[in-house]
Amino acid sequence: NAGVTQTPKFQVLKTGQSMTLQCAQDMNHNSMYWYRQDPGMGLRLIYYSASEGTTDKGEVPNGYNVSRLNKREFSLRLESAAPSQTSVYFCAGTPQNTGELFFGEGSRLTVL
Amino acid sequence: AQSVTQLGSHVSVSEGALVLLRCNYSSSVPPYLFWYVQYPNQGLQLLLKYTSAATLVKGINGFEAEFKKSETSFHLTKPSAHMSDAAEYFCAVSVAGELSFGAGTTVTVRA
Repeated sequence: NAGVTQTPKFQVLKTGQSMTLQCAQDMNHNSMYWYRQDPGMGLRLIYYSASEGTTDKGEVPNGYNVSRLNKREFSLRLESAAPSQTSVYFCAGTPQNTGELFFGEGSRLTVL
Repeated sequence: AQSVTQLGSHVSVSEGALVLLRCNYSSSVPPYLFWYVQYPNQGLQLLLKYTSAATLVKGINGFEAEFKKSETSFHLTKPSAHMSDAAEYFCAVSVAGELSFGAGTTVTVRA
């Protein structure tokens, strides 16, 4: 039982490159989320998926796309990376809409 | 929309001293409230939660928090700090499934 697993854990990109962050959970969560964490700003919601096949924008969606491939997987894509997207990204899931989230260990992205 | 304010971005305490982290929220409806902890290079994990039952909530590792509706506060305390409590702590409020985090408070424990 791995919980919420994110890959890769570290990535360095050049401006304009694209990449996909992968997230998979084995906890049968209905809802899944992508957050970014920046110093002094807490966690900000990028996108979320309330159920398989649905996705919605969060607070800071610009420059990102997501895909809820099935109940287990929720990926985050940067089509053309910018230095402002340098951050630590967290995937999380919850079985219910109560705010009790289970987080992955994070993916640290640097855009040069 | 709801929001969370954590007072103090950094708190330094001596080992064995009281830990007090302050959190105030705003919400037009009764919220669920949470404290999460993040150890270095890890994801967040749930410390405790308030979901409209008892106003004094006990969590893991000796932490507890008290919900005070009149003060719109949900402060986190631990009577005696341990070196292992050094981490970043986040208060969060959830209304209708929408979760908002505070900016976080980093706790340093001095030997």
